[in-house]
Amino acid sequence: TQLLEQSPQFLSIQEGENLTVYCNSSSVFSSLQWYRQEPGEGPVLLVTVVTGGEVKKLKRLTFQFGDARKDSSLHITAAQPGDTGLYLCAGGDSGGSNYKLTFGKGTLLTVNP
Amino acid sequence: NAGVTQTPKFRILKIGQSMTLQCAQDMNHNYMYWYRQDPGMGLKLIYYSVGAGITDKGEVPNGYNVSRSTTEDFPLRLELAAPSQTSVYFCASLAGARVGYFGPGTRLTVT
Repeated sequence: TQLLEQSPQFLSIQEGENLTVYCNSSSVFSSLQWYRQEPGEGPVLLVTVVTGGEVKKLKRLTFQFGDARKDSSLHITAAQPGDTGLYLCAGGDSGGSNYKLTFGKGTLLTVNP
Repeated sequence: NAGVTQTPKFRILKIGQSMTLQCAQDMNHNYMYWYRQDPGMGLKLIYYSVGAGITDKGEVPNGYNVSRSTTEDFPLRLELAAPSQTSVYFCASLAGARVGYFGPGTRLTVT
């Protein structure tokens, strides 16, 4: 079973601060996805990275996929209260035609005004 | 498009009862998944399907069954409900570009 470890598990910061959350594994993934989940709702996809070393930016969010495709990071610049939520990383395993997503336990981010 | 829909949103079951959680998607996606989410535990894969008529077990399949007779529908069946199945259940489908779409979830309590 492929495992994804996310850190930190909880993060509480003030509006305007920067932060980075991490997603690490000993396994290689064909792709890595980041989702944000708000209370009472399903996860919503933020980004998919597929190439080792790839960096993607989504407004104030920067996502990076490790060179070896085993880890990823999410950096948020100047966090806002609207960024509050559970951030989940998910590794894609394309063993044959059976594509599966393995999720980490998530980082619960609270941005205080 | 309605995306991924799930019914019911909430359900309370007594131990030993059975029920079916419904999931439907109107995006013509071949890949569909059932996950459960327990507090602090992320999402764990129960079953998945790569197309109509094809299903396979995920990480935590015990106590559940699925079927996939059409591309649109992927129901999850709970037989003999147990307190350990108290959880939030999410259905998801995957587009060709590996974009995951999740339903709003079903919150199930077994007492």
